Amino acid sequence: AQSVTQLDSHVSVSEGTPVLLRCNYSSSYSPSLFWYVQHPNKGLQLLLKYTSAATLVKGINGFEAEFKKSETSFHLTKPSAHMSDAAEYFCVVSVEKLTFGTGTRLTIIP
Amino acid sequence: ETGVTQSPTHLIKTRGQQVTLRCSSQSGHNTVSWYQQALGQGPQFIFQYYREEENGRGNFPPRFSGLQFPNYSSELNVNALELDDSALYLCASTLMSGTTTDTQYFGPGTRLTVL
Repeated sequence: AQSVTQLDSHVSVSEGTPVLLRCNYSSSYSPSLFWYVQHPNKGLQLLLKYTSAATLVKGINGFEAEFKKSETSFHLTKPSAHMSDAAEYFCVVSVEKLTFGTGTRLTIIP
Repeated sequence: ETGVTQSPTHLIKTRGQQVTLRCSSQSGHNTVSWYQQALGQGPQFIFQYYREEENGRGNFPPRFSGLQFPNYSSELNVNALELDDSALYLCASTLMSGTTTDTQYFGPGTRLTVL
């Protein structure tokens, strides 16, 4: 069985400050992990993926995530938030199929 | 842009009716998956088709069915619509390599409303 828990349903940060979106996972096997972003009325876009090659994964638009097996976590970070980062973010675990978390809505305060 | 398109964008149906949603995958992708995203939730896996055969299914009843065609297009059919079927339906295509690291490319979705 596999699952993901996104620890915050809503995160608000000021423009220019760091972003932290938290994700814990559960998997019986070594998982692949992804972060997807969904802007309003748009499809899901892949931000980054972990495939066991490196624990620190760099993605698009300045985002990165660190895989910590001991903590079963895969938190998403960005050093400086931009207004265009406002969206819904999904942490995803993949063994035989993609299993999505419930999402974190990121709001950027001007 | 992912190269995955879906039609229609929006659809309104009444309970008991049947609906067909369509997806056009990226050229060369041999696998398509369908997801249901209820309001305020993450997408839920419905099923996957690989080379025109069903290759995995989530916890959805048989009234959810699909087809995949050789021209990279696919369909999701839902019979006997229920109010709870109201959701955003997403398709995603990939070139399956047999590993868990395959990236799925999502279409923009079809918003289905059941009245």
